[in-house]
Amino acid sequence: SQELEQSPQSLIVQEGKNLTINCTSSKTLYGLYWYKQKYGEGLIFLMMLQKGGEEKSHEKITAKLDEKKQQSSLHITASQPSHAGIYLCGADKGIEYGNKLVFGAGTILRVKS
Amino acid sequence: SQTIHQWPATLVQPVGSPLSLECTVEGTSNPNLYWYRQAAGRGLQLLFYSVGIGQISSEVPQNLSASRPQDRQFILSSKKLLLSDSGFYLCAWRITNEQFFGPGTRLTVL
Repeated sequence: SQELEQSPQSLIVQEGKNLTINCTSSKTLYGLYWYKQKYGEGLIFLMMLQKGGEEKSHEKITAKLDEKKQQSSLHITASQPSHAGIYLCGADKGIEYGNKLVFGAGTILRVKS
Repeated sequence: SQTIHQWPATLVQPVGSPLSLECTVEGTSNPNLYWYRQAAGRGLQLLFYSVGIGQISSEVPQNLSASRPQDRQFILSSKKLLLSDSGFYLCAWRITNEQFFGPGTRLTVL
């Protein structure tokens, strides 16, 4: 089974509405990365979480890592069309594996004007 | 500041032809380097990673190979492309706790 599960797979929200994307791991996370991708483009780094209970914000996007370090959520406040894209979470496998990332399947976000 | 370059941006190749994709990083030293592939229905898959010059770890051997001839250069190669090699190839680099991706190469094998 996939190590990282993202939900929902896709969602459509009205501009101005809030939304949450979840990322759940079957194992304790060393580090959890959030990226955004526009179709056909590279990944844009959003945030990295490492400590249980940690929360970070960038503009209208907030990401949290739960105390057990197995679940992260990405929350967007007052969504805008510019938030549309694919959101990917990635789990850091640790230094013994070159800190490679294993990714979830992604969440496709569409924002209606 | 650090930047990462990939070329070409797009590539159309016939089945059985060779492949060479190049990735270079500027503005940093001794980064970890990674090759990922994103294919329809298969998500983002790690192919190779490197923690130093000449050091390559393979995740998905298949018919692809990688080399790191210089500290900030990472090359993805194939001697004979398969249809299943089509996809979006992304190079990434990492220093400390941040991992950044390049713009990608769209490969179509016909």
